[in-house]
Amino acid sequence: AQSVTQLDSQVPVFEEAPVELRCNYSSSVSVYLFWYVQYPNQGLQLLLKYLSGSTLVKGINGFEAEFNKSQTSFHLRKPSVHISDTAEYFCAVRENRDDKIIFGKGTRLHILP
Amino acid sequence: EPEVTQTPSHQVTQMGQEVILRCVPISNHLYFYWYRQILGQKVEFLVSFYNNEISEKSEIFDDQFSVERPDGSNFTLKIRSTKLEDSAMYFCASSVNNYNEQFFGPGTRLTVL
Repeated sequence: AQSVTQLDSQVPVFEEAPVELRCNYSSSVSVYLFWYVQYPNQGLQLLLKYLSGSTLVKGINGFEAEFNKSQTSFHLRKPSVHISDTAEYFCAVRENRDDKIIFGKGTRLHILP
Repeated sequence: EPEVTQTPSHQVTQMGQEVILRCVPISNHLYFYWYRQILGQKVEFLVSFYNNEISEKSEIFDDQFSVERPDGSNFTLKIRSTKLEDSAMYFCASSVNNYNEQFFGPGTRLTVL
């Protein structure tokens, strides 16, 4: 069965510093991978997605993620964070024969001034 | 930019009462979904809906739950007899097809007293 593991429940980082949010998944078939962001009191917004092709995908707000099939990872990175990046970030996976998206527990990004 | 909308933003109800949560998906989307997020937990899939019928549902989606697309624009989730443990944020989502990203609404916070 597919599952998503986000190892860090919270990540504090100083403004303008780089950040990496880790995500590992398990699945026996090919998958589509997503990162969603949830700003305080708002819904889920798609940051980026991997469907096929290049393993390095770029998203909105300067974020990027790299799909690593051998390590079953899809870590999210940003070279320089801003206070406005304060939010909860969810990694998600969808098997190519399934309707549903499976979410990780989320990582709360806390930007320190 | 088109977006998924949900009403109400917050619903308070007494245990045992029926509630209907409403969603307006993006107009050219064909697949519709409900997810829920209990406070402090991960986002969980409830049900997917395509071509006027349920295409997939989770074990959470028992006989107390039902979905309907009563007209060409609305997509509803009904909980027949609410329980305390139904208290959660309920997200509606829609997608063009069943392998691309799903677009999420802002959510309805359901509080069962």
